[in-house]
Amino acid sequence: AQTVTQSQPEMSVQEAETVTLSCTYDTSESNYYLFWYKQPPSRQMILVIRQEAYKQQNATENRFSVNFQKAAKSFSLKISDSQLGDTAMYFCAFNPDSGSRLTFGEGTQLTVNP
Amino acid sequence: DVKVTQSSRYLVKRTGEKVFLECVQDMDHENMFWYRQDPGLGLRLIYFSYDVKMKEKGDIPEGYSVSREKKERFSLILESASTNQTSMYLCASSSSSGWNTGELFFGEGSRLTVL
Repeated sequence: AQTVTQSQPEMSVQEAETVTLSCTYDTSESNYYLFWYKQPPSRQMILVIRQEAYKQQNATENRFSVNFQKAAKSFSLKISDSQLGDTAMYFCAFNPDSGSRLTFGEGTQLTVNP
Repeated sequence: DVKVTQSSRYLVKRTGEKVFLECVQDMDHENMFWYRQDPGLGLRLIYFSYDVKMKEKGDIPEGYSVSREKKERFSLILESASTNQTSMYLCASSSSSGWNTGELFFGEGSRLTVL
């Protein structure tokens, strides 16, 4: 079974600064997908970024990028130039390539302060 | 845009009541999911369905059942609500390719309080 751990329940950052959210996972699968989802207050959860494990290059989506360390089973999310709208709960998630279902971490509540 | 709609944002029910949570998606997705979200526990999968009338148990199916009579609709049923089922319930859907890639589209959630 897969496990996903987010060790930071809460984080805060000043507007325009950079913040990194941590995620570790445990699996015996050789190929899989990793995700960061964002859940703004009282709004729908949306996909922020996705990483395929067999790809060496770290995924990037505008101000969001990941640091994927496969050997260390680490998948952190970096948010650059933080904006007030980035305030949300962020979930790390894992899906094996065998076609199962997502396993989510506990979540990190990020607050961006003006 | 994919739209996943959950029928009720907030519900208050009494212990022992039967509760229906409805979810509808408009993108012809094959897969639908019900998750439960609790602080400090993240999202936990209750049930999922990969086709009409098909259902599979997730990680915490006890006390719940589901129904998928039409492709676009996936219902979560609490046969006899209990206080430990007070939670946020999230419905999600994905396409057949999303089954592997894991990209889910979520509804806004239904916050259920059982008194």
